[in-house]
Amino acid sequence: GQQVQQSPASLVLQEGENAELQCNFSTSLNSMQWFYQRPGGSLVSLFYNPSGTKHSGRLTSTTVIKERRSSLHISSSQTTDSGTYLCAFDRNSNNRIFFGDGTQLVVKP
Amino acid sequence: GPKVLQIPSHQIIDMGQMVTLNCDPVSNHLYFYWYKQILGQQMEFLVNFYNGKVMEKSKLFKDQFSVERPDGSYFTLKIQPTALEDSAVYFCASSIQQGAGNTLYFGEGSRLIVV
Repeated sequence: GQQVQQSPASLVLQEGENAELQCNFSTSLNSMQWFYQRPGGSLVSLFYNPSGTKHSGRLTSTTVIKERRSSLHISSSQTTDSGTYLCAFDRNSNNRIFFGDGTQLVVKP
Repeated sequence: GPKVLQIPSHQIIDMGQMVTLNCDPVSNHLYFYWYKQILGQQMEFLVNFYNGKVMEKSKLFKDQFSVERPDGSYFTLKIQPTALEDSAVYFCASSIQQGAGNTLYFGEGSRLIVV
């Protein structure tokens, strides 16, 4: 079954609006990551975030391991933020990662 | 930051032919991985590799697939023969070790189209 649930599945914003993406895990996890996938398919790692809150520019990731959830906040969205945001986690020590289906974000000018 | 390079970025190949996808991992990393993402579907684990051996593979890692890293050069994924359902983006990743606290660094992917 699906081990990682991401919501929303898709999101359309006007430039300047904020976005909150959610990731919920069905099982206990060791660590998790957020990725950005460009429209062409290439992958960029955003955060490796075992626990707590991390910031990178306009992005903030908050993970609560014991509650099996993580969120990605994008502030003041820009058209270049458009793409797919993936969360992924690993359960144990072998670094095998399970990915969610992603949130497809479209930011309109 | 550390980068994983994948070559080629795109390849179109006739069904039944062989293809080799190349991955240049981060220089001091010891663990290597391949993931597969079919268009519109989630990314899935294929295989991980350490010290010249496959450590774990999923059911997606068919008999036609093989991986190797000869003499510390590229970490390769070979598919022979290719099938239409092998069309996907293949992502390589590497890590310095396994376990908590170790980040996987991903390449940008190699898009394979089998026709």
